[in-house]
Amino acid sequence: EPEVTQTPSHQVTQMGQEVILRCVPISNHLYFYWYRQILGQKVEFLVSFYNNEISEKSEIFDDQFSVERPDGSNFTLKIRSTKLEDSAMYFCASRHEGQANTGELFFGEGSRLTVL
Amino acid sequence: GQSLEQPSEVTAVEGAIVQINCTYQTSGFYGLSWYQQHDGGAPTFLSYNALDGLEETGRFSSFLSRSDSYGYLLLQELQMKDSASYFCAVSEDSSYKLIFGSGTRLLVRP
Repeated sequence: EPEVTQTPSHQVTQMGQEVILRCVPISNHLYFYWYRQILGQKVEFLVSFYNNEISEKSEIFDDQFSVERPDGSNFTLKIRSTKLEDSAMYFCASRHEGQANTGELFFGEGSRLTVL
Repeated sequence: GQSLEQPSEVTAVEGAIVQINCTYQTSGFYGLSWYQQHDGGAPTFLSYNALDGLEETGRFSSFLSRSDSYGYLLLQELQMKDSASYFCAVSEDSSYKLIFGSGTRLLVRP
């Protein structure tokens, strides 16, 4: 069964360092999302991406965040200068255009970011 | 603002039925989804309601009342593996980005 894959599964970094989280969405999906979940809290929307551009972003997604689709398969989230409060699980999700009426997003297993 | 309210915890015994409620207040509404998340795992889609009424998928059912801004997830014949967190989530518009509730932690006991 096709799945969304994310790397790394866990990254530990020092405050102020740059981090890149990678995602490979399901191949025929056109809509991509990044969400984050601070330990024990709810899943929060960061950004959505369609047709090679950001379609929507939340207040959390400030200038230190960026997303790219560098090639036909990868979708990346970059955090330029990490802060302690960026420590969270970051989930990539995708959906096919035909799933617009089903409410279904396919989530990856997440990348746990720990900022020290 | 946006808010989705769910109970924080529910406990039930194996074989029982449990209902997890969700009330929402959002600027727009396209549909209400339910996701299951085991500890350390990814959210997994369970069900979706765009129109009023009940949707049934095996042991799980989901209900929506748009006029009441209310929905619930019904889990029947509970099994130990159903112990997890359950999130309701609203799609506000055609982007289908999801606004998640805070989640309900379900503990199923023998």
